[in-house]
Amino acid sequence: DAKTTQPNSMESNEEEPVHLPCNHSTISGTDYIHWYRQLPSQGPEYVIHGLTSNVNNRMASLAIAEDRKSSTLILHRATLRDAAVYYCILRGPIDQFYFGTGTSLTVIP
Amino acid sequence: SAVISQKPSRDICQRGTSLTIQCQVDSQVTMMFWYRQQPGQSLTLIATANQGSEATYESGFVIDKFPISRPNLTFSTLTVSNMSPEDSSIYLCSIKWQTGGMNEQFFGPGTRLTVL
Repeated sequence: DAKTTQPNSMESNEEEPVHLPCNHSTISGTDYIHWYRQLPSQGPEYVIHGLTSNVNNRMASLAIAEDRKSSTLILHRATLRDAAVYYCILRGPIDQFYFGTGTSLTVIP
Repeated sequence: SAVISQKPSRDICQRGTSLTIQCQVDSQVTMMFWYRQQPGQSLTLIATANQGSEATYESGFVIDKFPISRPNLTFSTLTVSNMSPEDSSIYLCSIKWQTGGMNEQFFGPGTRLTVL
């Protein structure tokens, strides 16, 4: 069973913000939350990660719930190049990754 | 970051045969991982491969079916043995890589396997 659950698909208009949710109710105190995205015919690539506090980088923001049982990846202005499958991942004790079900993001011009 | 390559990029195989997938990294890395991505699905971790020790397999995956070698710090192989059509998937290797004080993973491009 996946350790994280995500909506199968979402749509966004170009230039608008996108909020991608993830539930990880069984997260342990030491599990980091990572987000990766996968473009067609490519391996996943890093987007952002966090533990407890909200995080920002040049690609996105990560909002983590106070109880850490859910998180939200925020793309501030979606572009056509952001169309991909976004995975919410919990990192295990020896740095192994357990991928969620993934959300396929469609960006509408 | 490191550059990761996989061979073959794709293959079509007959039922009952075996295929060995190679993963080559242009830098020395301690930990490598192998994943399976079934059609239209997410990635599932098969095993963790450290150089100099036996691979650690996740639940549902066994060494007889997916033997892994890790002969040095830049190379690993995954063999898919006695294949059936259910083994048709993309197989990806990844490496543990430290950037900015955090451990991330970089992924290879994947090997697309079709079993007839």
